Amino acid sequence: GQSLEQPSEVTAVEGAIVQINCTYQTSGFYGLSWYQQHDGGAPTFLSYNALDGLEETGRFSSFLSRSDSYGYLLLQELQMKDSASYFCAVRAGLTGGGNKLTFGTGTQLKVEL
Amino acid sequence: NAGVTQTPKFQVLKTGQSMTLQCAQDMNHNSMYWYRQDPGMGLRLIYYSASEGTTDKGEVPNGYNVSRLNKREFSLRLESAAPSQTSVYFCASTGSSGGAYEQYFGPGTRLTVT
Repeated sequence: GQSLEQPSEVTAVEGAIVQINCTYQTSGFYGLSWYQQHDGGAPTFLSYNALDGLEETGRFSSFLSRSDSYGYLLLQELQMKDSASYFCAVRAGLTGGGNKLTFGTGTQLKVEL
Repeated sequence: NAGVTQTPKFQVLKTGQSMTLQCAQDMNHNSMYWYRQDPGMGLRLIYYSASEGTTDKGEVPNGYNVSRLNKREFSLRLESAAPSQTSVYFCASTGSSGGAYEQYFGPGTRLTVT
């Protein structure tokens, strides 16, 4: 099976940088995805890492170390609209074909003035 | 493009009642998924359909059934609702069997079972 750990809450001030960590245990690992979910909304895809290293998309970056079973999401120049829950998810194969994502329990990010 | 749509948005059921949650996508995606999300928890996979004509169980399938009606539509049925099924239900789809890392989610159905 798969299990993921991430902090339940993180608080930061507007304009700052915040890092949300994710450690995982899984078999058949393909990669690590990150999703954002605002209160009452649906999850939306942010980034994906299949290989070690840093992927940058605007203010958001994501990092993966396969040897350490560890990744993080880095949010720079925080804005109030970044207040949301952030989920890491491991991608693995399915016995019935295709892939699936197993999600962590989420990190609630609060951005303060 | 509407993306992934779900109906209804809200539903209240009494214990023992049945209902079907509908999901449709207009992105020509092969794979579709049903998740439930409970407070303080991540999304847990109920059932999935890797391609049209196939369905299979996820992590928490008990009490649910699914139908992949065609490539666009994937429905979730609760035959005899229980309070433990009070949750938010999300449908998602992805473009290829190898691309499940980027899933597109519907707006969710908020279900309360009393």
